[in-house]
Amino acid sequence: SYVLTQPPSVSVAPGQTARITCGGNNIGSKSVHWYQQKPGQAPVLVVYDDSDRPSGIPERFSGSNSGNTATLTISRVEAGDEADYYCQVWDSSSDHYVFGTGTKVTVL
Amino acid sequence: QVQLVQSGAEVKKPGASVKVSCKASGYTFTSYYMHWVRQAPGQGLEWMGIINPSGGSTSYAQKFQGRVTMTRDTSTSTVYMELSSLRSEDTAVYYCARVGCSSTSCNWFDPWGQGTLVTVSS
Repeated sequence: SYVLTQPPSVSVAPGQTARITCGGNNIGSKSVHWYQQKPGQAPVLVVYDDSDRPSGIPERFSGSNSGNTATLTISRVEAGDEADYYCQVWDSSSDHYVFGTGTKVTVL
Repeated sequence: QVQLVQSGAEVKKPGASVKVSCKASGYTFTSYYMHWVRQAPGQGLEWMGIINPSGGSTSYAQKFQGRVTMTRDTSTSTVYMELSSLRSEDTAVYYCARVGCSSTSCNWFDPWGQGTLVTVSS
């Protein structure tokens, strides 16, 4: 089955840039989607199709995808960005939807 | 606006079954597939399966084949997820999530229901 690997944690100071990676075999050939989940809440979509933002999501959230790594970038990090972040793809070979292992973003 | 409202928390004994509901509003119910995803305490997200509310067809994750059944009621715009032969490892928050679509693909999750905690304990 297809595996997506994320770093367990990322720490960043307010106003700086956080980069969260999502590794998978030839992930650049797939569409990657990203979710933000705050404690006790349901996940919220922040980026879809590698780099598109749903309405209402700040421009500070951006995504890229190439080769074996997709990246979610959060610019000008704010305290409210502290959350768990998950990447997700659809694996056509198994017709299954796969989530990454999740990354906890801590704002220092 | 699109809204998914799930049923309340459940406590079940090992070996029992649980049925969680997800009532949709704010869009045409039969036009969008619905997923179920679960999250064990302190763990990540796990996809369980998908249902087409229009015809009722389903596709389940291999891990849950034989134990999960997803159904829908078009008269009330509600989808259901039933999990049988419950064990302690099934203790989790269960989410419904509508499929998200662009002009080229439909393979993300947006929005999500608020979640339903299912506790399996003797």
